[in-house]
Amino acid sequence: AQSVTQPDIHITVSEGASLELRCNYSYGATPYLFWYVQSPGQGLQLLLKYFSGDTLVQGIKGFEAEFKRSQSSFNLRKPSVHWSDAAEYFCAVGAEQAGTALIFGKGTTLSVSS
Amino acid sequence: DSGVTQTPKHLITATGQRVTLRCSPRSGDLSVYWYQQSLDQGLQFLIQYYNGEERAKGNILERFSAQQFPDLHSELNLSSLELGDSALYFCASSVGQGPETQYFGPGTRLLVL
Repeated sequence: AQSVTQPDIHITVSEGASLELRCNYSYGATPYLFWYVQSPGQGLQLLLKYFSGDTLVQGIKGFEAEFKRSQSSFNLRKPSVHWSDAAEYFCAVGAEQAGTALIFGKGTTLSVSS
Repeated sequence: DSGVTQTPKHLITATGQRVTLRCSPRSGDLSVYWYQQSLDQGLQFLIQYYNGEERAKGNILERFSAQQFPDLHSELNLSSLELGDSALYFCASSVGQGPETQYFGPGTRLLVL
């Protein structure tokens, strides 16, 4: 069955430092991969997505992610974190076997220290 | 603003009661998805409708049901509510049926007392 693992429950990063959030997926075919961000009390906002093509994808707010098939990973990165990036981040995979529903990881909470 | 609207924003009710959550998809989107977000289960897919027809089912309880109307808005009905049904319920929409970007609404926070 498809699954998504986000190994880090909580990460704290200093403002201005770089960020990498890890995501590993289990999926038989070529996956459709997404990163969403959820600010407190808010809905989920799409940061970026990978369907095919270039394995390095750019998203909004300066985020990027790299699809590595050999490692079954889709890690999210940002070169310089801002205090406003503090939120919960979810990696998701599009699951063909469940219609077109998304399977989400448990999320990683990002705190930004000054 | 994703363009997906959900009402109400908050809902407080008692065990055994029945509630209805409403979702209006983005203009032009034919698919509507319902997800439940809880602390212990995380974000879980409940059900999907496409152009009025049920398309896929996830971990949806028998006490829960949904429908999508001709104007494409959707309602999620939760009945015989239990304390464990307290959660954030999200609606998402997308253009078609295939794996594609889903746009999420702000959610309805349900508290069952």
